[in-house]
Amino acid sequence: QVQLQESGPGLVKPSQTLSLTCIVSGESVSSGPNYWTWIRQPAGKGLEWIGRIYSTGSTRYNPSLRGRLTISLDTSKNQFSLRLNSVTAADTAVYHCARVRYYEATFDPWGQGTLVTVSS
Amino acid sequence: QSALTQPASVSGSPGQSITISCTGTGSDVGAHNFVSWYQQHPGKAPKLMIYDVNKRPSGVSSRFSGSKSGDTASLTISGLQAEDEGDYYCSSYTSSSTWVFGGGTYVTVL
Repeated sequence: QVQLQESGPGLVKPSQTLSLTCIVSGESVSSGPNYWTWIRQPAGKGLEWIGRIYSTGSTRYNPSLRGRLTISLDTSKNQFSLRLNSVTAADTAVYHCARVRYYEATFDPWGQGTLVTVSS
Repeated sequence: QSALTQPASVSGSPGQSITISCTGTGSDVGAHNFVSWYQQHPGKAPKLMIYDVNKRPSGVSSRFSGSKSGDTASLTISGLQAEDEGDYYCSSYTSSSTWVFGGGTYVTVL
C-alpha cells in the first residue's frame, strides 16, 4: 500500500523559499511509470495543481508558478521535494503530495497535507 | 490555465440523487477522458471517487457515478447519505500536459 507523508517548516517569511519533502513508502519513486505531484489548498479555497515529476527527473509545472518553482527527486531516500522561491502571503496553504497514476492521469493516493504559513 | 467551473453548492435530502457539473474547455475536459472526482471532508486529504470520467476505484460505493458530454463532466450521487456531505472537486488533465481543478462544490445533506 502506497503512503505519502509531507514534511517541512510550517512558517516561512515573505520573500524567502518554501521547502517541503514528501516521503514515499510502498513504491519506488524511481521505478515508474507513475508521476509524483504537489497540490496546494489555501484555507477555505479550492485545490491548485502545482507540478509533477517523473522517475527520470522530468518535470512539468503550473504555468502560474513557473520561474519560482523547482520539484526534484531523491531516489536514495525515496522522496521528492518542492522548492518555491520568493513567497508571499498568497502562497499560504495546505500543501499535499500525491502519486499520479500514469495510465489514468489521476491523483491517488494523497498525503495528509501540511500547512505552510507565509508571515513575518 | 483557468479553473474548471463547478457550482458552489448542491443540496439534497437523504435518499435523493444529486448531480454536480464540471465545465471546462476543449483543451481539458473536452480533450480526452482523463477526468477525475475527489471527495474531501474537513481537515482530511481528498479521496479519489471517480477516474477516467466514469470508473470507480475499489472500495468506492456504486452510488457514485460519472459521465461526460462535450466540455462538461458530471458526478451523480444516488441514494444520498449523511456521510456524503462534504466538498467535491473535479480535475482534468489538459492538452498542455498539466492538470486543472474545479473550484469545488459543497454537498449538503438536508
